[in-house]
Amino acid sequence: GAVVSQHPSWVICKSGTSVKIECRSLDFQATTMFWYRQFPKQSLMLMATSNEGSKATYEQGVEKDKFLINHASLTLSTLTVTSAHPEDSSFYICSARFPSGGYNEQFFGPGTRLTVL
Amino acid sequence: RKEVEQDPGPFNVPEGATVAFNCTYSNSASQSFFWYRQDCRKEPKLLMSVYSSGNEDGRFTAQLNRASQYISLLIRDSKLSDSATYLCVVIKAAGNKLTFGGGTRVLVKP
Repeated sequence: GAVVSQHPSWVICKSGTSVKIECRSLDFQATTMFWYRQFPKQSLMLMATSNEGSKATYEQGVEKDKFLINHASLTLSTLTVTSAHPEDSSFYICSARFPSGGYNEQFFGPGTRLTVL
Repeated sequence: RKEVEQDPGPFNVPEGATVAFNCTYSNSASQSFFWYRQDCRKEPKLLMSVYSSGNEDGRFTAQLNRASQYISLLIRDSKLSDSATYLCVVIKAAGNKLTFGGGTRVLVKP
């Protein structure tokens, strides 16, 4: 299947700093990528849909000015958590939709574990 | 009420036994349904799609009951490697957004 990578796989930062997470589709071009957040023992929650060359679409309750998304190319989307606080500590997972666009053709990255001290 | 609900478990299953669990969804217009598997601290991976007529993939059987708005997953001859959290995923009528259930944890023990 298609491969999606994320970097870094884990990060620890101080409160108030910004953290950038990269999501790359390695062997296909993804016009749409999705960013999810998963707190311990909870479900994956969609944060935003990232579209190449246009603004991201954020889910209700997700602050677009805090979670900056950039999808500058067909293989790369970045999520920047600005002024991170301990409550932002979570598992962030991206997925990329395969170009054929079928409902089940989303491939997940391995996730980034963010810990904010 | 959550859009997609699952019994969190854990379901403690003896190796070789059968286990089954359900997932309910609230939007009657939901179009597509899937089971994903998530291992601890890993990303979810697609296990199988769920078709209206029910479908089987080896030891795994998935069924959809639209009238009662639930899907089910049955695992036969459980293996130790089946220990994981099983996520129910529903695609709403509009768009390709995946809505995840909270997951059902399965622990297969020798």
